[in-house]
Amino acid sequence: NAGVTQTPKFRILKIGQSMTLQCTQDMNHNYMYWYRQDPGMGLKLIYYSVGAGITDKGEVPNGYNVSRSTTEDFPLRLELAAPSQTSVYFCASSYRTGGYEQYFGPGTRLTVT
Amino acid sequence: ELKVEQNPLFLSMQEGKNYTIYCNYSTTSDRLYWYRQDPGKSLESLFVLLSNGAVKQEGRLMASLDTKARLSTLHITAAVHDLSATYFCAVDDMNRDDKIIFGKGTRLHILP
Repeated sequence: NAGVTQTPKFRILKIGQSMTLQCTQDMNHNYMYWYRQDPGMGLKLIYYSVGAGITDKGEVPNGYNVSRSTTEDFPLRLELAAPSQTSVYFCASSYRTGGYEQYFGPGTRLTVT
Repeated sequence: ELKVEQNPLFLSMQEGKNYTIYCNYSTTSDRLYWYRQDPGKSLESLFVLLSNGAVKQEGRLMASLDTKARLSTLHITAAVHDLSATYFCAVDDMNRDDKIIFGKGTRLHILP
């Protein structure tokens, strides 16, 4: 049982490049989330999904896209990378909302230069 | 919009001392979470508090929730160096589909 896995661990992008951050969970959770963590700022929700085929925006969705074709996978797409997207990205999953803890992946450290 | 404030944001303390981290939130909720993050690592769930007056303890850490005051505390008893980490509280925004809002975190540094 690997929990939540993310790839890559580190990535450096040039301004204007695109990439996909991968996230997979093996706990059969319906709910999945993408957060970004900037130094001293806690976590901000980018997008979330309540099940395969259903996604919705969080607090800071601009510049990102997601899809959820299976229960296990929830990739995050960055289009036209900008320096403001330099951050650590965490994927998480939970059984439900409303009182259920989230399980976090190890994170992806992204630098855009 | 729900806001979550933690204080202090940074705490340096001696081993063996007791201290409390505070988490205030701005709108009604009775679901609060505490997470721990070690430097360069991911977040790990510590406590889930689901009702007014809820208290949970694990080792030297004890968390409580007062929904009327919109306040949770994380109390550290006889701190040891291994508890050095950043601690986040997070709250369900019950007015916005239970989206979880995180505080900025309290970086705890325990001196041996």
